[in-house]
Amino acid sequence: AQSVTQLGSHVSVSEGALVLLRCNYSSSVPPYLFWYVQYPNQGLQLLLKYTSAATLVKGINGFEAEFKKSETSFHLTKPSAHMSDAAEYFCAVSLNDMRFGAGTRLTVKP
Amino acid sequence: NAGVTQTPKFQVLKTGQSMTLQCAQDMNHNSMYWYRQDPGMGLRLIYYSASEGTTDKGEVPNGYNVSRLNKREFSLRLESAAPSQTSVYFCASGTGFNQPQHFGDGTRLSIL
Repeated sequence: AQSVTQLGSHVSVSEGALVLLRCNYSSSVPPYLFWYVQYPNQGLQLLLKYTSAATLVKGINGFEAEFKKSETSFHLTKPSAHMSDAAEYFCAVSLNDMRFGAGTRLTVKP
Repeated sequence: NAGVTQTPKFQVLKTGQSMTLQCAQDMNHNSMYWYRQDPGMGLRLIYYSASEGTTDKGEVPNGYNVSRLNKREFSLRLESAAPSQTSVYFCASGTGFNQPQHFGDGTRLSIL
């Protein structure tokens, strides 16, 4: 079965700094990959999705992620953090079912 | 646009009690899902329904049952609640595992 590992349960950045949230997956065949964001007391919202059309995927709110098959990675980045980006972020991998990572909580310092 | 609606939002149960969590979607999606979210473990799939009339077990089905009442509604039942089932439960809908899922706001369930 496929699985996903998010490196770092907590990441803290200053406002305006680069955001990098790491995700590595394990799958026997190329999977579908997703990043979701969760704000307090809310459900998950889709940020972006990889479907093999392009290795660099652009999502909402200025986020993007790059699929690297050789590294089995799908890291999420944003060039300049904003206070409103503070939330929990989940990477997910899908083949016959959906498997989520444990999540990374992003804190943005003023 | 309501999207995915879950009821109740909060519930406290005693060990051994039963209850049903309700979920309804208005996006005409074929597939619906139930997840539980626990600290440090992300979301884990309990049951899913790929289409009306079908249900399948996910990663952690023990202690739960589901009913796909119609295309819109998918309920999750705890027959005899246990403290280990204290969690936040999310319902989602979509058009298949390879497509994005749309989530409700969750039900926070505490079992004493």
